[in-house]
Amino acid sequence: DTEVTQTPKHLVMGMTNKKSLKCEQHMGHRAMYWYKQKAKKPPELMFVYSYEKLSINESVPSRFSPECPNSSLLNLHLHALQPEDSALYLCASTSSGPRETQYFGPGTRLLVL
Amino acid sequence: GQQVMQIPQYQHVQEGEDFTTYCNSSTTLSNIQWYKQRPGGHPVFLIQLVKSGEVKKQKRLTFQFGEAKKNSSLHITATQTTDVGTYFCARGTGGFKTIFGAGTRLFVKA
Repeated sequence: DTEVTQTPKHLVMGMTNKKSLKCEQHMGHRAMYWYKQKAKKPPELMFVYSYEKLSINESVPSRFSPECPNSSLLNLHLHALQPEDSALYLCASTSSGPRETQYFGPGTRLLVL
Repeated sequence: GQQVMQIPQYQHVQEGEDFTTYCNSSTTLSNIQWYKQRPGGHPVFLIQLVKSGEVKKQKRLTFQFGEAKKNSSLHITATQTTDVGTYFCARGTGGFKTIFGAGTRLFVKA
């Protein structure tokens, strides 16, 4: 199984809502990533978890809160987002680090109204 | 510093023509990865190059890593409509970060 799954596929939320994005992989990968991708732009790294611990936070606003409940799951909690946060949110995983193949999930397309 | 510059930004080709995208760095790269993202899709890993002067082929795709490990290229021979998408190069850093180039959008006209 070389698949990373993400739910939901699409999400529309108001600026006062609280929602969560979910990511799951069963490849035994120990590093999991959240990226944000705006239209016609490359993915931008947000967070990295290594062995279920937060390794990198790329100065992401606190309205985005990551969580890694176990080695297979990665969540991104959203609260009080702004319209400019509308984007494709991609989850990825690697067996150990960025020199390994990164497997991306299909992403969640988020629209903030 | 750690950025990778990718050119061209976009390219339109007639089906059957060749296509090349280039990735350049001002510093030596430990590795370079290439990804393809179809319209509406997500990035899919194509290949990783680590050795100076390395050349790898995948059917109609040829990947090269420069002798100085500061540049890389992806060449597609005889493009097909299925090649449409954005091609990203990406560099790994010493930690867990992967830095993506801006990407080259390929349009193929049948």
